[in-house]
Amino acid sequence: GAVVSQHPSRVICKSGTSVKIECRSLDFQATTMFWYRQFPKQSLMLMATSNEGSKATYEQGVEKDKFLINHASLTLSTLTVTSAHPEDSSFYICSAKVTGSGNTIYFGEGSWLTVV
Amino acid sequence: DAKTTQPTSMDCAEGRAANLPCNHSTISGNEYVYWYRQIHSQGPQYIIHGLKNNETNEMASLIITEDRKSSTLILPHATLRDTAVYYCIVRGPTGGGNKLTFGTGTQLKVEL
Repeated sequence: GAVVSQHPSRVICKSGTSVKIECRSLDFQATTMFWYRQFPKQSLMLMATSNEGSKATYEQGVEKDKFLINHASLTLSTLTVTSAHPEDSSFYICSAKVTGSGNTIYFGEGSWLTVV
Repeated sequence: DAKTTQPTSMDCAEGRAANLPCNHSTISGNEYVYWYRQIHSQGPQYIIHGLKNNETNEMASLIITEDRKSSTLILPHATLRDTAVYYCIVRGPTGGGNKLTFGTGTQLKVEL
């Protein structure tokens, strides 16, 4: 299957600072990427859909000014958590859609964010 | 997208077949059935998907009923490494960015 890579896999930041998570499609081009958040013992919750060259579409209840998404190229989308708070600590996962081939979506390894 | 219903948990003996059911009674004619699994603290892994016909790949088989209201994912020879949460997701071919909406899934525990 196609490979999606996230970086960093783990990050600790101080309250009030911003942190950026990168999501790359390594062996294919992705016009559409998705960002999810997962709290312990819960399922994945879609945060936003990221489209290359245009603004992201956020799910209801997700603050677009707090979770900045940039999809500047066909292989890279970034999620920036601004003014992080401890309640933002979570597992963030990106995924990318392979155009054609059934439009299958592949996921990255996830990024653990801890805000202290 | 149609919602799915899966058992909360299942157990399976190593080496035996694991049969994971999924109900999707409100599925539309152009919606696919996708299966993913998530091993603890990792991103979900794509397993298989299908529309009408049964499908098989190196990981699993997908059996879809003729009326498409339910399906079964079959892991033919389960191993301890197959212990994971398995998600059955119904997804349309277009619209909404083809996003995947995750339910609670089935926690499969493979034991010796």
